[in-house]
Amino acid sequence: GAVVSQHPSRVICKSGTSVKIECRSLDFQATTMFWYRQFPKQSLMLMATSNEGSKATYEQGVEKDKFLINHASLTLSTLTVTSAHPEDSSFYICSARDTLGIQYFGAGTRLSVL
Amino acid sequence: AQTVTQSQPEMSVQEAETVTLSCTYDTSESNYYLFWYKQPPSRQMILVIRQEAYKQQNATENRFSVNFQKAAKSFSLKISDSQLGDTAMYFCALRGGSEKLVFGKGTKLTVNP
Repeated sequence: GAVVSQHPSRVICKSGTSVKIECRSLDFQATTMFWYRQFPKQSLMLMATSNEGSKATYEQGVEKDKFLINHASLTLSTLTVTSAHPEDSSFYICSARDTLGIQYFGAGTRLSVL
Repeated sequence: AQTVTQSQPEMSVQEAETVTLSCTYDTSESNYYLFWYKQPPSRQMILVIRQEAYKQQNATENRFSVNFQKAAKSFSLKISDSQLGDTAMYFCALRGGSEKLVFGKGTKLTVNP
C-alpha cells in the first residue's frame, strides 16, 4: 500500500507555544488529506479536510484559528497547533487519499503540552 | 447522517483459531465503501480490507475476509488462523460521497498464545 510519513512522532512543548506537524504522501500525490485527533481508547475524530491549494474544511466544533492547516503541495499538508495548552495534548493522525479514494494513514504524533 | 456501530468492545481468540468481528452501519447513500482498519499498539492505522457496496462478492485478503450483507447493513470481518501479530484495535469505517471516513468505536482484539 501507499506510504504516508508523519513527523514528528512525539513532541513535548510548553504551554503557549506553537507546534507544527507535517504529513507527507511519499509515493503518490494526494489532493486531499485529513487530520484526525484520537483520545485514549477512543476512535478517530475527524478535525478537518485539507485540500491542495485551497482552504481547509473544518468539522463542527474545531477551532480553525487554533488548528491551522496548510496544504501547499500535492504531497504535503501541515497542521499547526497555535498557542498550545494542556487540553490540546492528544494523538494527532493524518491521512492522505489516493486516486481510488482509499485513505492511508501516517504513524501519528503524540503531543504533550506542559 | 452516516453511522457505524461496532458492538463488541473487546474480543479474544486463541492463536490459529478463527474470529469474527461485527460491524453494522447506516447510510442513505447508494454508492459507498466499507473498510476495516487495524491499529496495533504502535498506533499506526493499517488498511486491512475494503469493500465496494456495489460489488456483491465478499472481499478477501489472505487470512482476512468480510461478510457483506447489504440489505442488513452488516459488514463483519473474519480473521482465519489468527496470529499474535493480529492483536490490535480494529475499526470499521464507512465512506460515502463526501470522501470522509466515519469510524466505529473499535473492537480490541487480543490473540492469545
